Amino acid sequence: GENVEQHPSTLSVQEGDSAVIKCTYSDSASNYFPWYKQELGKRPQLIIDIRSNVGEKKDQRIAVTLNKTAKHFSLHITETQPEDSAVYFCAGVSGGSNYKLTFGKGTLLTVNP
Amino acid sequence: NAGVMQNPRHLVRRRGQEARLRCSPMKGHSHVYWYRQLPEEGLKFMVYLQKENIIDESGMPKERFSAEFPKEGPSILRIQQVVRGDSAAYFCASSPPSPGSYNEQFFGPGTRLTVL
Repeated sequence: GENVEQHPSTLSVQEGDSAVIKCTYSDSASNYFPWYKQELGKRPQLIIDIRSNVGEKKDQRIAVTLNKTAKHFSLHITETQPEDSAVYFCAGVSGGSNYKLTFGKGTLLTVNP
Repeated sequence: NAGVMQNPRHLVRRRGQEARLRCSPMKGHSHVYWYRQLPEEGLKFMVYLQKENIIDESGMPKERFSAEFPKEGPSILRIQQVVRGDSAAYFCASSPPSPGSYNEQFFGPGTRLTVL
């Protein structure tokens, strides 16, 4: 089955700096990679996603890049703000299914004012 | 359009008791997924259900756990004879039918189960 590794587990940045979170996956047939933001005690919310036929996707201050050859994908947040502080999870959908999300262990991002 | 609803939000049980967690999917969604999140861990897939059918239960523990999604009413995740290791947040997600491609799963607020 799919295995998703996520780094770093914690990340602290100053407001206005950029933050990068990286994930690797094991199943070369995986074809969909969402990123979720989870605030303390709240539900995970989809913030951006990318499909395997695309190398990069951007939405305002958030971007995701995908390297299929190396089987890794990254989340980039620019001009970070204190409200970006949360736990971020990457995930992959196994090529053998079109529904089973395999999550990384999460990155606790802290943006210091 | 109400989102995915789960209740209760918090549930405390003593060892050996039963826990019942309920999930009402978004309107128009016929697919339900349950995930478990242990402290400081990512979410782990448990089971995927459609109305009256269990499609994939590969993530469910072999004993004490069961799930259903009846024709009428919410989906239920049932844990019998709970143990301390069952303490976790249980999230439900729903999606519309996804013939051949992935459809976004919308998550509920979760039920936080504490076993004393």
